[in-house]
Amino acid sequence: AQSVTQLGSHVSVSEGALVLLRCNYSSSVPPYLFWYVQYPNQGLQLLLKYTTGATLVKGINGFEAEFKKSETSFHLTKPSAHMSDAAEYFCAVSGRGQGAQKLVFGQGTRLTINP
Amino acid sequence: DTEVTQTPKHLVMGMTNKKSLKCEQHMGHRAMYWYKQKAKKPPELMFVYSYEKLSINESVPSRFSPECPNSSLLNLHLHALQPEDSALYLCASSLGPAGGLAEQYFGPGTRLTVT
Repeated sequence: AQSVTQLGSHVSVSEGALVLLRCNYSSSVPPYLFWYVQYPNQGLQLLLKYTTGATLVKGINGFEAEFKKSETSFHLTKPSAHMSDAAEYFCAVSGRGQGAQKLVFGQGTRLTINP
Repeated sequence: DTEVTQTPKHLVMGMTNKKSLKCEQHMGHRAMYWYKQKAKKPPELMFVYSYEKLSINESVPSRFSPECPNSSLLNLHLHALQPEDSALYLCASSLGPAGGLAEQYFGPGTRLTVT
């Protein structure tokens, strides 16, 4: 079984500052890991994913995340926040093969950008 | 085409009504999903169809009835809903269990209000 914990339901940063959204996972099998973003009244958009290989993954809009197996973490970062980054961010984990069908989400982190 | 479309965008229905939500994708994906999302919460998985067969039902009440007429279409039939069923209903698709990659692509959702 898989689970995800996102530390901090609300993160606020200044425009131009570093964005760090924390995600820790629990999985009994090698996981697939994802970050999704949701803007108000919209669906979820995939930011990036980790499946295998390189542990530092780059996504859209300047975001990246690093898979750290020893820390069971998959934190999302962006060097310089932009006003358009304000949204809800969800970390998610799934198993592989048939288990990949079941995506387990964290509770979400609301990112606010201050001008 | 990396788009999942959903209709209608908004739906208001009474508790005695019968209505349907529709989802469509033309990415050749063989797995399709229904999620329910309440305000300020992560999406909750309801149903998964894999190769047009129901593979996961997360103990959803029978007043929700999914249907997958073909590999591109997914419907959710609604009957005798309760006010607590008001939520954003999201459809998603992915390559499928044999596809290896697990990322799900989400539609914009249908905002359902039950009066």
